[in-house]
Amino acid sequence: EVQLVQSGTEVKKPGESLKISCKGSGYSFTSSWIGWVRQMPGKGLEWMGIVYPGDSDSRYSPSFQGQVTISADKSINTAYLQWSSLKASDTAMYYCARVIAKAIDHFYMDVWGKGTTVIVSS
Amino acid sequence: FVLTQPHSVSESPGKTVTISCTRSSGSIASNYVQWYQQRPGSAPTIVIYEDNQRSSGVPDRFSGSIDSSSNSASLTISGLKTEDEADYYCQSSDSSNGVFGGGTKLTVV
Repeated sequence: EVQLVQSGTEVKKPGESLKISCKGSGYSFTSSWIGWVRQMPGKGLEWMGIVYPGDSDSRYSPSFQGQVTISADKSINTAYLQWSSLKASDTAMYYCARVIAKAIDHFYMDVWGKGTTVIVSS
Repeated sequence: FVLTQPHSVSESPGKTVTISCTRSSGSIASNYVQWYQQRPGSAPTIVIYEDNQRSSGVPDRFSGSIDSSSNSASLTISGLKTEDEADYYCQSSDSSNGVFGGGTKLTVV
């Protein structure tokens, strides 16, 4: 069974750094992209970016370029989403998902993690 | 480009509902469209991929289509059940990334 297990809830202060994780199992982790999606409280889904664990190639949506870093460690089948300086506006649920990429302009997410809640408050 | 969905739709059990997803620029047929269901308190799950392909385990009450004349995609759910009450999101791609629609809240009453 394909599974993505995300790290637990984080409560941080503005200005702090954070790295959340997403561990894949049940499939070839290095052969599929992993994506991250933000969902702010009461709002819709936002595509943040993707990483290919096989070679650590990463792509960012314009809104998130420079705001976060997406990475992966293929030795432990884990992808990461990190911030160097959190803001209150980063408070949200963050989902990782396996990305099926059939072409340079054809991506979709077929298996999702349960989400990581990030709360940033002073 | 932007994908625009109605904020909410409502229909009775047993009826049929259609949720639209309109692409702002470029052809809707240029990139495949997917649909995701998100029930309250849960992660999204994929319902339709590549315009009209049902994901594994999704009942055939769910169907997807695209209409080039209106530059939109549609998700149709027939024989509505109360368990279909959820938020639905369309998604497509541009170069190297995905784009979600704003989501539609389906109420089954």
